[in-house]
Amino acid sequence: AQSVAQPEDQVNVAEGNPLTVKCTYSVSGNPYLFWYVQYPNRGLQFLLKYITGDNLVKGSYGFEAEFNKSQTSFHLKKPSALVSDSALYFCAVRDFSTGTASKLTFGTGTRLQVTL
Amino acid sequence: NAGVTQTPKFRILKIGQSMTLQCTQDMNHNYMYWYRQDPGMGLKLIYYSVGAGITDKGEVPNGYNVSRSTTEDFPLRLELAAPSQTSVYFCASSYLGQGVQETQYFGPGTRLLVL
Repeated sequence: AQSVAQPEDQVNVAEGNPLTVKCTYSVSGNPYLFWYVQYPNRGLQFLLKYITGDNLVKGSYGFEAEFNKSQTSFHLKKPSALVSDSALYFCAVRDFSTGTASKLTFGTGTRLQVTL
Repeated sequence: NAGVTQTPKFRILKIGQSMTLQCTQDMNHNYMYWYRQDPGMGLKLIYYSVGAGITDKGEVPNGYNVSRSTTEDFPLRLELAAPSQTSVYFCASSYLGQGVQETQYFGPGTRLLVL
């Protein structure tokens, strides 16, 4: 079965510094990988996805993620963090275990705290 | 487009009561989903639908029922509310077809408290 792991419950970074939120995955076959962000009392918002092609994927709000097949990782990055980036971030992988249905398996989330 | 809308935003239920969480999308997506989010647990899939008239169980379907009579609507029914169903519920939709999109779009959530 597919799974994703987000090893850090929380990441703290100062505004202006680069940030990384880690995600590793386990799938059989080629992975479809996603990052979502959740602001307080809001639903999840799509940030970016990797389906195929270039290993560096660019997404919304200046975020990017690097797909690394050998390390089975899909870390989320941003060159310069903003206080407004503080939120809960989820990594997800498409579940192919049942064949046809397009379902996602989510990680447990990483809380990003950006301070001045 | 309003996207995915959910009602109500918040509800308190007594044990044993029933209720329906409403979800509507206006993006003509064929797939719709219901998740619950518990603290530190990420999102768990309750039920999903691949089109009108077709539904299937996710990871945690016990205590819930769904129907999909139209493309737009995907209500979630709790028949006998239990404290374990206290959670935040999210509805999502996506399009899967020619020009595969795969991206799921989420509603704002319904916070449910069962006492």
